[in-house]
Amino acid sequence: TQLLEQSPQFLSIQEGENLTVYCNSSSVFSSLQWYRQEPGEGPVLLVTVVTGGEVKKLKRLTFQFGDARKDSSLHITAAQPGDTGLYLCAAPGYGGSQGNLIFGKGTKLSVKP
Amino acid sequence: EAQVTQNPRYLITVTGKKLTVTCSQNMNHEYMSWYRQDPGLGLRQIYYSMNVEVTDKGDVPEGYKVSRKEKRNFPLILESPSPNQTSLYFCASGPLAGGSNEQFFGPGTRLTVL
Repeated sequence: TQLLEQSPQFLSIQEGENLTVYCNSSSVFSSLQWYRQEPGEGPVLLVTVVTGGEVKKLKRLTFQFGDARKDSSLHITAAQPGDTGLYLCAAPGYGGSQGNLIFGKGTKLSVKP
Repeated sequence: EAQVTQNPRYLITVTGKKLTVTCSQNMNHEYMSWYRQDPGLGLRQIYYSMNVEVTDKGDVPEGYKVSRKEKRNFPLILESPSPNQTSLYFCASGPLAGGSNEQFFGPGTRLTVL
């Protein structure tokens, strides 16, 4: 069974702090995605990474795909209350089938003003 | 406005009473999928469809049916709902072009089976 393990499960920080959340697996993935979900809404795609070692930036968010394409990290610089939400990583399951996606259980981030 | 819509948004029903949750997208996406989200278990894929008349099981298909007769619609059918199907359900669609897995999610349907 392919699994994506996210850590930490919960993170509560003050506005202005930096943080990193992780998504790890024992499987190699062709690509990996990060989503953010706010309460009462569906997940929204933040980024897709496809190349080992790839780094992508989205304003204060930096995403990295591991060299071996088994893990990824999301770093937020100077967190703001608007960053509060559930951060999910996702990757293709079943040997890379584009249609079957597996999700990690998420990191619930709370940024206090 | 490009969107995925689901109906109903909230539903309380009883064990065994057949129900359908509709999902529609206006982005001409080939790919559509259903997920359920449960505390402690995260998002799990139920069924997905790569195109019209093509559907495949996800990780938790038992107790569910789907159909894809038209590109824009992908209804989720529970023939005989049971309490363990109480959950938050999300429909999603995506373009598939260029090998993309990008998905756009609907607002969710909260289902309670008594």
